Amino acid sequence: DQQVKQNSPSLSVQEGRISILNCDYTNSMFDYFLWYKKYPAEGPTFLISISSIKDKNEDGRFTVFLNKSAKHLSLHIVPSQPGDSAVYFCAASRDNYGQNFVFGPGTRLSVLP
Amino acid sequence: KAGVTQTPRYLIKTRGQQVTLSCSPISGHRSVSWYQQTPGQGLQFLFEYFSETQRNKGNFPGRFSGRQFSNSRSEMNVSTLELGDSALYLCASSPSRGFTEAFFGQGTRLTVV
Repeated sequence: DQQVKQNSPSLSVQEGRISILNCDYTNSMFDYFLWYKKYPAEGPTFLISISSIKDKNEDGRFTVFLNKSAKHLSLHIVPSQPGDSAVYFCAASRDNYGQNFVFGPGTRLSVLP
Repeated sequence: KAGVTQTPRYLIKTRGQQVTLSCSPISGHRSVSWYQQTPGQGLQFLFEYFSETQRNKGNFPGRFSGRQFSNSRSEMNVSTLELGDSALYLCASSPSRGFTEAFFGQGTRLTVV
């Protein structure tokens, strides 16, 4: 039973356009959410996080939106760049005092020049 | 500042053998977590160590174990290897348990034949 779902295995976007990656979760106890980016042959790299007390967090080109009632979060990348092509993982934690993250299966983003 | 270092990078073992993987966290980081990544299951949490004590454990059989040393370096051990243990094993470190972001190493690719 997947507690964190990323229903789109892949996404292709034109350079300069917006990329929207979606994530749904089932456990209402989750209170911290993170996005990681992973290039081939490298470990995941932290991108951005959001606490359940917020509904939006922005960092440069990356914005994460959280809709607690729908148990849904999304990552917006504007504008998308070819270097953003990677696998993006959504992760959730119900224990903000620990590193026990539940990861989604990932979405492969391809930004086309 | 050096990142998280995992050794070895690649490993081939035979069914029934045991294996030990090593993780050196970023200098000053005291929390170390381990994850297993497989194509079918994605990233799954194995365990978390802080101050040489296991703080959290994922849903893995007792064949998977770990420890952390006084210098925060961590090892994980898998005994009686099975074909299904073939995976990328990722280690992540963070300064403390109250720090949400984790920094991942490149992983150890274990193949069981």
